[in-house]
Amino acid sequence: GAVVSQHPSWVICKSGTSVKIECRSLDFQATTMFWYRQFPKQSLMLMATSNEGSKATYEQGVEKDKFLINHASLTLSTLTVTSAHPEDSSFYICSATPGRGRETQYFGPGTRLLVL
Amino acid sequence: GDSVTQMEGPVTLSEEAFLTINCTYTATGYPSLFWYVQYPGEGLQLLLKATKADDKGSNKGFEATYRKETTSFHLEKGSVQVSDSAVYFCALPTGGGNKLTFGTGTQLKVEL
Repeated sequence: GAVVSQHPSWVICKSGTSVKIECRSLDFQATTMFWYRQFPKQSLMLMATSNEGSKATYEQGVEKDKFLINHASLTLSTLTVTSAHPEDSSFYICSATPGRGRETQYFGPGTRLLVL
Repeated sequence: GDSVTQMEGPVTLSEEAFLTINCTYTATGYPSLFWYVQYPGEGLQLLLKATKADDKGSNKGFEATYRKETTSFHLEKGSVQVSDSAVYFCALPTGGGNKLTFGTGTQLKVEL
């Protein structure tokens, strides 16, 4: 149980284009989903927390107009990297929790984004 | 604020060696503590957790004991395998229990 999927697993795009990454909880309802960014050989950096049906809460320093997050249903959250640039190339990981205040997060396999 | 400190890697061991990855924490109160594992090219998987002092979390031969007197949650395994090669993250909940704060991760490489 508690499986989280991400799609796509790999994406290469041209600079200036937008990329959408999907995060789905497959066998549970995810009230809260989190989006992380991970640089090579570094820890995870929390970008934003997303609760179903409400606006995402972004961490300090994360541009909300650049990283658009939508959590329209209890099983799906999307991250759109708008007008992507090479510095946005990274490994993006989502996670989900079954309920508000629940501590255990279940992680997706990650999406590697390369912006040329 | 709450934080987690892990030993720096990489850690390179021979198969069947004993593993310890140190983790200490700073927190208000006594939060749950977690170890996550990230295999190459993948997302994180919950390895084990402990929810209160003196609890021992265990999974797949790995163990960690929540020690409040030393504010530690060291990860141990008696005999590592090549398949254990991964990056290991210690973590604790912050921000009211909803967010996770991760350590910097410790890369483990197990050789034959």
